[in-house]
Order: sequence, then structure tokens, then C-alpha cells
Amino acid sequence: AQKVTQAQTEISVVEKEDVTLDCVYETRDTTYYLFWYKQPPSGELVFLIRRNSFDEQNEISGRYSWNFQKSTSSFNFTITASQVVDSAVYFCAYGGTSYGKLTFGQGTILTVHP
Amino acid sequence: DSGVTQTPKHLITATGQRVTLRCSPRSGDLSVYWYQQSLDQGLQFLIQYYNGEERAKGNILERFSAQQFPDLHSELNLSSLELGDSALYFCASSSQTSVNEQFFGPGTRLTVL
Repeated sequence: AQKVTQAQTEISVVEKEDVTLDCVYETRDTTYYLFWYKQPPSGELVFLIRRNSFDEQNEISGRYSWNFQKSTSSFNFTITASQVVDSAVYFCAYGGTSYGKLTFGQGTILTVHP
Repeated sequence: DSGVTQTPKHLITATGQRVTLRCSPRSGDLSVYWYQQSLDQGLQFLIQYYNGEERAKGNILERFSAQQFPDLHSELNLSSLELGDSALYFCASSSQTSVNEQFFGPGTRLTVL
């Protein structure tokens, strides 16, 4: 069975610091997808990124960047120059290709202090 | 706005009662997924429907059931409610061509007193 581990339960930083959220997954699938979602205090789940297992290129979107390393089964997420609005719970998730369900990690609570 | 709607936004009820949560997927999406987010279990997949038929089942209790109607909206029925059923219930939808790209609704927060 697939498993997603986000070892960092809570992270606290001061505004403008860079922060990296770790995600490690376990699978026997050869083709799969990885995701990051953001859950702000309002509660909704906001899609951030999807990566398929064949694409190990790092991706940057504004202050967000993602580092996918298949060799270590990791898909880490970095926020550069964090802002108070980045405070949220961040979830890493795994999805197979033959089924649609997502398997989520336990989430990392990020608090950015002014 | 993801395009997925869920009603009601909040629901407060008593133990032993039955409630129905409703979800309307994005226009054109055939798949609907239900997830439960609780403090104990985190975010867990419950069940998936595709074009009216059950496609996959996760950790869904026997007291819970779901269905997807011809107009593709879905309902999650929770019965004999217990305190531990208090959670945020999310619905998500995806298209036929991109099953993993799930768009989540705003959730229904269920409180069982």
C-alpha cells in the first residue's frame, strides 16, 4: 500500500525566512502522481502542484519551488521569503494512475510570524 | 473557487441521528470522491463514484453510504452518528481524462454533540 510521510508536524518561522516542507512516500507503482495542497485557516483545500513520476525536473512558481527526487522517494516543497499569508496546513499527497483516490500525509502546520 | 459545491457548510446534530451531505461536481466531471478530515485520522479517502457507479472504496464505515445521481451530484449519508464522526467532509471531482487532478469543494463541517 502507498504511504506518505510528512515528518514535520509543525514549523514556525519569521517572515522572510525560507522554509522547506518535507514529504517522503512509499510505493511499488512505477507510474504515479504527487501533489501538494494548502489548507488555510478558512479550511478549504487549495491545489498547489501535481507532478508525475516521470518528470523529475524541479519546478518553481513565484516564491514556491518543488524538488522531486525519485531516488530518495521525496517531494519537498520550499517557500522562499515566507509571508504571514503562507500560514496554513500543507499536505503532500500520492495518487496512482489506475485509481483516483489520493493518499495524504498527515500535514505540516506552518506558522509564519510577522 | 474550484467549481465544486458542497452543502451545507456547517451541520450540528446529536448522536444517533442521520445526516446527508451534498456535493455538486465541476461541470463535466464524472468522478466524485469523498474524504473525511478528522483530528485522529487526518485526511482519509472514503469512496469514489464514477458516472453513477461506485468505483473505489476506502475506509468508509458501514454506517456511511453514498450515491451519485444521474445529474452527477453526489450525497454522502451518515447514520447512527457518533461523537467520533465529527469531522470536515470534503467532496472532490475530477475529469475522465485526468483522474488524479482532483478539485476539492469547501467542505462540510459536521459536529456531533
